[in-house]
Amino acid sequence: EEQVVESGGGLVQPGGSLRLSCAASGFTVSGNYMTWVRQAPGKGLEWVSVIHGGGGTYYANSVKGRFTISRDNSKNMVYLQMNTLRGEDTAVYYCAREMIVATTRSGAFDIWGQGTRVTVSS
Amino acid sequence: EIVLTQSPGTLSLSPGERATLSCRASQSVSSNYLAWYQQKPGQAPRLLIYVASNRATGIPDRFSGTGSWTDFTLTITRLEPEDSAVYYCQQYGSSPTFGQGTKVEI
Repeated sequence: EEQVVESGGGLVQPGGSLRLSCAASGFTVSGNYMTWVRQAPGKGLEWVSVIHGGGGTYYANSVKGRFTISRDNSKNMVYLQMNTLRGEDTAVYYCAREMIVATTRSGAFDIWGQGTRVTVSS
Repeated sequence: EIVLTQSPGTLSLSPGERATLSCRASQSVSSNYLAWYQQKPGQAPRLLIYVASNRATGIPDRFSGTGSWTDFTLTITRLEPEDSAVYYCQQYGSSPTFGQGTKVEI
């Protein structure tokens, strides 16, 4: 079964750091486009970052320069290093896989984890 | 950045009725990279439709997507109580964005 499981969330003070982890099973992260999406309490979904199969990384303007996405192919894991955290970063963070259809990107996310909650507060 | 505007904000319908959800983009969505998701309270989003009109694996044919360029529609026929959820559209251009969601109450 293809699935992802996030971990690493918690309570952190403004200005602090946190690293989220996403463990994939049933498929390889190196062969896929892996994304982080977040959802603030009572709000909608916001795309945060993506790491391409080739290793390229992209970020939402709201987190650029503060967050870093990476992966460890040997562990089949994806990470999101979050620095200089702000109150507006408080959210549930989801790891998701972009669906590939017949070797072509679909732009849609078919595998989602259950999310990990990040709270930024003093 | 492409802004997606969903309407209506809330839809209240009865079992067996049809729901029509709209998603309008501020500019053309490249390659019709438009997806729809269903999210129930406390759960992760679930992919329903990709590339505007393709049903994801395991999604019943009561769910259908249409549209192109800037106007997209998700239609749910023969509504069931389990369809109560928030539905989001999402585009994948240079920077993916989501609509603000439509809440469907059955």
